[in-house]
Amino acid sequence: AQKITQTQPGMFVQEKEAVTLDCTYDTSDPSYGLFWYKQPSSGEMIFLIYQGSYDQQNATEGRYSLNFQKARKSANLVISASQLGDSAMYFCAMRETVQGAQKLVFGQGTRLTINP
Amino acid sequence: NAGVTQTPKFQVLKTGQSMTLQCAQDMNHEYMSWYRQDPGMGLRLIHYSVGAGITDQGEVPNGYNVSRSTTEDFPLRLLSAAPSQTSVYFCASSRTGAGENQPQHFGDGTRLSIL
Repeated sequence: AQKITQTQPGMFVQEKEAVTLDCTYDTSDPSYGLFWYKQPSSGEMIFLIYQGSYDQQNATEGRYSLNFQKARKSANLVISASQLGDSAMYFCAMRETVQGAQKLVFGQGTRLTINP
Repeated sequence: NAGVTQTPKFQVLKTGQSMTLQCAQDMNHEYMSWYRQDPGMGLRLIHYSVGAGITDQGEVPNGYNVSRSTTEDFPLRLLSAAPSQTSVYFCASSRTGAGENQPQHFGDGTRLSIL
């Protein structure tokens, strides 16, 4: 079963619009963390934002915010005022504990294209 | 700051050859890991290490070996390369596993082709 599901293989958005990238997760661990990474065409993985399972407020980092709905097990990334440089692959990842070791499990990613 | 350094950036091998992908970090991170990225598959964990002398298998460990003799280095060895191992390989490190709010820092990747 998929631990992390990103249902949008690709998204096209007009520049300056806000965009929401979906992520749902599946875990029985009461303590977990959710990460979003950006991968531009150059290939590097860039950390964007983190949300802990016990955090009371949604995480924000500049133009990035995380819409965390714990009961629905969703952790959607919201990018406000999108820019051409936001065009990239975006990966949602969950920290899980397996046999005492903590690992990251990644979704399949969403390719975001910002149109001028 | 160097961060996580992977070498080589590109490599072409013939089926059956062996090679080692190098990974080094200068942040004194305890946790290091190797992922492979295939089209449409996201990143999948191959092996990981929580400290020097300690390694364990991830999701797709077959065909790969690792060792962790120092905190800084975590090489990945392909024992007998197969075309199915054609992929982009990422090394990552973080403090104390992937725990709490510590993100994993990624290297720039190694693009490996097996003919």
